Amino acid sequence: EPEVTQTPSHQVTQMGQEVILRCVPISNHLYFYWYRQILGQKVEFLVSFYNNEISEKSEIFDDQFSVERPDGSNFTLKIRSTKLEDSAMYFCASSFPSGSYQETQYFGPGTRLLVL
Amino acid sequence: AQKVTQAQTEISVVEKEDVTLDCVYETRDTTYYLFWYKQPPSGELVFLIRRNSFDEQNEISGRYSWNFQKSTSSFNFTITASQVVDSAVYFCALSDAPRNGNEKLTFGTGTRLTIIP
Repeated sequence: EPEVTQTPSHQVTQMGQEVILRCVPISNHLYFYWYRQILGQKVEFLVSFYNNEISEKSEIFDDQFSVERPDGSNFTLKIRSTKLEDSAMYFCASSFPSGSYQETQYFGPGTRLLVL
Repeated sequence: AQKVTQAQTEISVVEKEDVTLDCVYETRDTTYYLFWYKQPPSGELVFLIRRNSFDEQNEISGRYSWNFQKSTSSFNFTITASQVVDSAVYFCALSDAPRNGNEKLTFGTGTRLTIIP
């Protein structure tokens, strides 16, 4: 069964460093998302992406964050200058294009980011 | 604004008992979608069910069943004859109907379910 994959599974970085989290969505999906989950808390929406542009972003997704689809398969989240509070599990998700109803978002296994 | 409340932070039951996880939601929209996801100890988020606001029929899938009641804005999840493998954090989530494509999910805080052997 097709699944969303994410690399790396874990990343440790120093505060102020740039990180790039990578995702390979399900191949025939066209909507892509990033969510994050601070340890022990709920999952929070960061950004959605369709047709090579951001569809929606949350207030968390400030100028330090950016997303890109550099090729036909990868979807990346870049954090330019990491802060301690960026430590979290980052989930990528993908879905079919919606018609008149909401499509299910399928999540990857997550990347656990630790900022020291 | 949308909101999902899962008042039960943690539940422990003995294996083979039935357990119900509560989910109460708030939204101004008349058309919306509800989801349940499972997060096992390995950390991934596993989709369990999607339900739209026009379909109030209860659903059963094996040992899992869902009770959607618009009158009380609730979408509760019951596991029958629980098993140790059901131990996980369960998240309820809500989205609007799509306007400009698929809408974001708003998650509850999750319920940690522990099944005691």
